[in-house]
Amino acid sequence: SAVISQKPSRDICQRGTSLTIQCQVDSQVTMMFWYRQQPGQSLTLIATANQGSEATYESGFVIDKFPISRPNLTFSTLTVSNMSPEDSSIYLCSVEAALGGAFFGQGTRLTVV
Amino acid sequence: GQQVMQIPQYQHVQEGEDFTTYCNSSTTLSNIQWYKQRPGGHPVFLIQLVKSGEVKKQKRLTFQFGEAKKNSSLHITATQTTDVGTYFCAALIDQGAQKLVFGQGTRLTINP
Repeated sequence: SAVISQKPSRDICQRGTSLTIQCQVDSQVTMMFWYRQQPGQSLTLIATANQGSEATYESGFVIDKFPISRPNLTFSTLTVSNMSPEDSSIYLCSVEAALGGAFFGQGTRLTVV
Repeated sequence: GQQVMQIPQYQHVQEGEDFTTYCNSSTTLSNIQWYKQRPGGHPVFLIQLVKSGEVKKQKRLTFQFGEAKKNSSLHITATQTTDVGTYFCAALIDQGAQKLVFGQGTRLTINP
């Protein structure tokens, strides 16, 4: 099983500012996934991050709003840019498990005021 | 895009009662996964089903994948307070790259 460290675990941010979320995995993985979970809702995939190439964004998510870095096979960051209260959510990073399923980080609970 | 419908949205039971959540897709799925998210926690992988008609058990939890691979269910027998949380099904979709599409989740609360 993979151990994923995600930080910060929570933050309260002013609108108009940006927050960068970090995700560290204890093993090398090809793909890392970033999800958003709005309050009381399900998980929605934001983008898939591959090392050495640009992230692939899902419909409704754009690079200018959610820039992603993937400098190596164990680390990725997601930035939530120019935040508004609508960005208040839980953001989760995830990796695939070798035998099926996915592991998730502990999540970042973001509140924008 | 591909959608996975999950019902019910909420379920409240007395401790000791059974609980079932259902997941449906309009298209055939290659596999279905189930996750549990405790209040304030992150999703935790429970199981993956890949074969038509597959049934898997984990203690009091029984997972089924339909014969047509378009539906799945999770059944908990004799619920305990530790079962509280939201249960999500998720389908692995291949659209150039594989990705997980989650159902809406069923939030289970239990009266002790």
